[in-house]
Amino acid sequence: QKEVEQDPGPLSVPEGAIVSLNCTYSNSAFQYFMWYRQYSRKGPELLMYTYSSGNKEDGRFTAQVDKSSKYISLFIRDSQPSDSATYLCAMSGGGGNKLTFGTGTQLKVEL
Amino acid sequence: GAVVSQHPSWVICKSGTSVKIECRSLDFQATTMFWYRQFPKQSLMLMATSNEGSKATYEQGVEKDKFLINHASLTLSTLTVTSAHPEDSSFYICSAVDRGFAEQYFGPGTRLTVT
Repeated sequence: QKEVEQDPGPLSVPEGAIVSLNCTYSNSAFQYFMWYRQYSRKGPELLMYTYSSGNKEDGRFTAQVDKSSKYISLFIRDSQPSDSATYLCAMSGGGGNKLTFGTGTQLKVEL
Repeated sequence: GAVVSQHPSWVICKSGTSVKIECRSLDFQATTMFWYRQFPKQSLMLMATSNEGSKATYEQGVEKDKFLINHASLTLSTLTVTSAHPEDSSFYICSAVDRGFAEQYFGPGTRLTVT
């Protein structure tokens, strides 16, 4: 069993929809949770960073962490075609530690 | 947000030659840098972790004599692929972390093609 599980998709939604992306994990030592967006042939871009449990909002993006369930989510409101990319969840146990990634979910937002 | 650059963005080399890839943190001091490779439609695979001024720590299965990593300063790390072969063709990405922080910032990646 992988430490971090993420549905690879692809996930196709119409423009304007609310998108929900999720990851589950098994290592209770993880304290730092991140979501990255990666366009084809580009490096990952940090979207959201959360420490421990809770919610965090930034514009159209909301990240949620439920450590009791070992479950993290990223919500995208009013999705746009430019949001079409692969979304990677990542987590670590401490500052400077290596990240453990999910496999990534491929999202396509259609006009 | 923090900016990480990589150079070159794309390189083609002949089999048997060596290639050096640079990774720079432009607006922060990167006490730790990571090197990844990524094959098409796959997730990132960590190759090694480097801390400024010390030897890199390689992941299991990564040949340290083939992938030489030097983290000579708080803003620069280099990856040298020695005696490159076609199977080394891949997308190489670095990331950097500031001291005490957990967020990793990634470079734009370097596409290596070995002919």
